[in-house]
Amino acid sequence: EAQLVESGGGLVQPGGSLRLSCATSGFLFSSYEMGWVRQAPGKGLEWVSYIGTGGTTIYYADSVTGRFTISRDDAKNSLYLQMNSLRAEDTAVYYCARVRVYWYSVMDVWGQGTTVTVS
Amino acid sequence: QSALTQAASMSGSPGQSITISCTGPSSDVGDSKYVSWYQQHPGKAPKVLIYGVSNRPSGVSDRFSGSKSGNTASLTISGLQADDEATYYCSSYTSRNSWVFGGGTKVTVL
Repeated sequence: EAQLVESGGGLVQPGGSLRLSCATSGFLFSSYEMGWVRQAPGKGLEWVSYIGTGGTTIYYADSVTGRFTISRDDAKNSLYLQMNSLRAEDTAVYYCARVRVYWYSVMDVWGQGTTVTVS
Repeated sequence: QSALTQAASMSGSPGQSITISCTGPSSDVGDSKYVSWYQQHPGKAPKVLIYGVSNRPSGVSDRFSGSKSGNTASLTISGLQADDEATYYCSSYTSRNSWVFGGGTKVTVL
């Protein structure tokens, strides 16, 4: 069974940095595209970033472009999100998700989320 | 990246059917096969119910079905059950290499 476990969230001051990690198991990580989605308190889902296999294709939401960097380490079966210049509006639960490109780009497996508070 | 439009809340009685709508521009919904639906219970991660407008992953109940007409995608829940009380999100992978989500529809089972 595919599993995703996020970590690295916490309380950070505005302008600070955090690095989120997503440890994966139960599937061949290197063969799958991955992404990050966040959810502000009491709000809906917002896509943050996507990374293709091999890390050669990367996309970001306008709201995080230039501040966040997505990466992956296939040897460690892990996905990362480096978040710099954090703002209060980045406060959210951050989920990593597996992307099935050949299933109309659906996010079919999600982690339980890690909470980031910028204050 | 503009959000897709969903009603904020809906309700139904056990056994009834409800249909949740999701409206967006033609590029994101009307002309797209990349529409998905997710269910999220409070404090839990989203779970995919429908992908590619009307496809159901294995393990998802056939009480959930998806369709589309014009620029509106729909999720129908048949035989409403207590455990269906959750928030439902539509999503689309866009031609701008991004994903957009609807604002979510909170379903209450009366």
